[in-house]
Amino acid sequence: SQQGEEDPQALSIQEGENATMNCSYKTSINNLQWYRQNSGRGLVHLILIRSNEREKHSGRLRVTLDTSKKSSSLLITASRAADTASYFCKNSGGSNYKLTFGKGTLLTVNP
Amino acid sequence: DAGITQSPRHKVTETGTPVTLRCHQTENHRYMYWYRQDPGHGLRLIHYSYGVKDTDKGEVSDGYSVSRSKTEDFLLTLESATSSQTSVYFCAIRATANTEAFFGQGTRLTVV
Repeated sequence: SQQGEEDPQALSIQEGENATMNCSYKTSINNLQWYRQNSGRGLVHLILIRSNEREKHSGRLRVTLDTSKKSSSLLITASRAADTASYFCKNSGGSNYKLTFGKGTLLTVNP
Repeated sequence: DAGITQSPRHKVTETGTPVTLRCHQTENHRYMYWYRQDPGHGLRLIHYSYGVKDTDKGEVSDGYSVSRSKTEDFLLTLESATSSQTSVYFCAIRATANTEAFFGQGTRLTVV
């Protein structure tokens, strides 16, 4: 499969808490990307981590990558109600043109 | 924001009628994709294009056809719309097979 698989399927937390989502994939990668989808909207690219990177930060987002375990995690610190959305990972590598996604993690941040 | 526009944004059509959705980009990206999204199914790939006149099927291509006669436009056609094709349709673009993708705002299609 060319798509990542996110875990857990759903996560509910309180505002101010940290949220951690995980991604597993099966193929070798050039990079791994995380996306967010707010209800009814298209996916929005959040952050890309290359295969030779282990950790990357962007604002309140922290992404880690473990290529030996074929896994990645997305940490959102100090979550806000506006972070409520579905989050998807996407592994990219090789010459596969298809762009497919798993079912994502539905994050609900309660005020 | 990436220059990608879907039209129309909303459409109601009758069963059996043909429908064409348009995805227009101003980024000169090589790859373009059409998805449908339904509750409980996530994003499902319908068709994609890897260049002008180069297209291929995705996971749920039955009942859909596409055309890409120029870089900026990727058209999705439902030859004879059915109620099962009621859905939200998204278009996406990306420059290469390894770069990030940009999504359109979506088209809500209702077939009655």
